[in-house]
Amino acid sequence: GNSVTQMEGPVTLSEEAFLTINCTYTATGYPSLFWYVQYPGEGLQLLLKATKADDKGSNKGFEATYRKETTSFHLEKGSVQVSDSAVYFCALSDLGLTGGGNKLTFGTGTQLKVEL
Amino acid sequence: DVKVTQSSRYLVKRTGEKVFLECVQDMDHENMFWYRQDPGLGLRLIYFSYDVKMKEKGDIPEGYSVSREKKERFSLILESASTNQTSMYLCASSRVFTGELFFGEGSRLTVL
Repeated sequence: GNSVTQMEGPVTLSEEAFLTINCTYTATGYPSLFWYVQYPGEGLQLLLKATKADDKGSNKGFEATYRKETTSFHLEKGSVQVSDSAVYFCALSDLGLTGGGNKLTFGTGTQLKVEL
Repeated sequence: DVKVTQSSRYLVKRTGEKVFLECVQDMDHENMFWYRQDPGLGLRLIYFSYDVKMKEKGDIPEGYSVSREKKERFSLILESASTNQTSMYLCASSRVFTGELFFGEGSRLTVL
């Protein structure tokens, strides 16, 4: 079955440091890939997505490139801020649920802490 | 602003009680989902619904049931709560053929 593996956290960085959160996946077919973010006390929200190989998703300074050859979708940001402190989830979308539903398979999440 | 609203942020129940978690979305989305979030396990799909009165089991449906009588409302039911159902429950909705899920803020359930 499909699976997503993320690096374990917490990841602790100083403000303005470079961020990489690794994500690799196992899937049949050609899934879409997503990064969701969960700020403290809130639900998850979509951060960025990529729907085919070599696509780059980007939002709020975060980027991730869909690498089919390495089955990876690593999240990067050039300069993190304290406000980026959150839990980040990598996910893949499996088309083919009844009625057009998309089942998302999530990784276990990586907590990011950014300090001044 | 689009919204998924979960009825209770925090609940404390006793073993054997019946528990209802309700979720309402205002985006006219066809699909609705219930996930469970546990540390170290990420999010796991309990049930989803692709239309009114239609439902499909997810990865961990045991001990849960769902109801979708209206398009905007999706309820999760624990018929007889057990301590291993202590968790954070997240409701989400989406349009068909899209992986962009919109999540509620979550309901943290403690079963004593």
